[in-house]
Amino acid sequence: GNSVTQMEGPVTLSEEAFLTINCTYTATGYPSLFWYVQYPGEGLQLLLKATKADDKGSNKGFEATYRKETTSFHLEKGSVQVSDSAVYFCALPYGGSQGNLIFGKGTKLSVKP
Amino acid sequence: GAGVSQSPSNKVTEKGKDVELRCDPISGHTALYWYRQSLGQGLEFLIYFQGNSAPDKSGLPSDRFSAERTGGSVSTLTIQRTQQEDSAVYLCASSPWTGTNDGYTFGSGTRLTVV
Repeated sequence: GNSVTQMEGPVTLSEEAFLTINCTYTATGYPSLFWYVQYPGEGLQLLLKATKADDKGSNKGFEATYRKETTSFHLEKGSVQVSDSAVYFCALPYGGSQGNLIFGKGTKLSVKP
Repeated sequence: GAGVSQSPSNKVTEKGKDVELRCDPISGHTALYWYRQSLGQGLEFLIYFQGNSAPDKSGLPSDRFSAERTGGSVSTLTIQRTQQEDSAVYLCASSPWTGTNDGYTFGSGTRLTVV
């Protein structure tokens, strides 16, 4: 099946800093790619997605571009806020006959004022 | 319902006891998924349902784990003879169908502590 590798954390940044969280994948074909976010004490929420190569997903100031050449889907934000402190997960379908998503190990982001 | 509801939100149980975790998906969502999140670990996939059918149960960690879904709605994850290594947050998610590009809606999870 498909697989995903995500940058290990934790990541600590000052407010207004630039954020990059790396995500690379191995997949058959060009599956949809997702970023999920988990705020403290909450379940996971879909942050953004891209459904085909070269697509850019965006939400809440975050962006990620589906790059098939480098099999990557890195998450970026130009200016982080304290409220962005959370755990971020990259995900894609496992593939084959299985209908579930597989997730990276998660990257914990802490933003200091 | 409006979201995915899981109960209980917290469960403390003694080693060796059985526990049942419940998930109530979004109304009309035919696909339902169970994951486990251990401290410092990512999400471990356990099982998914398309309707009432679970096509692949190989993700369940051992034969102490079982899951069922009835009426295409509520699902129950049962852990028999709990062990300390079962302590984790158990997350349930649902989607309109498997393979959707719309992603999943997750519940807030059940935190299971085995003492």
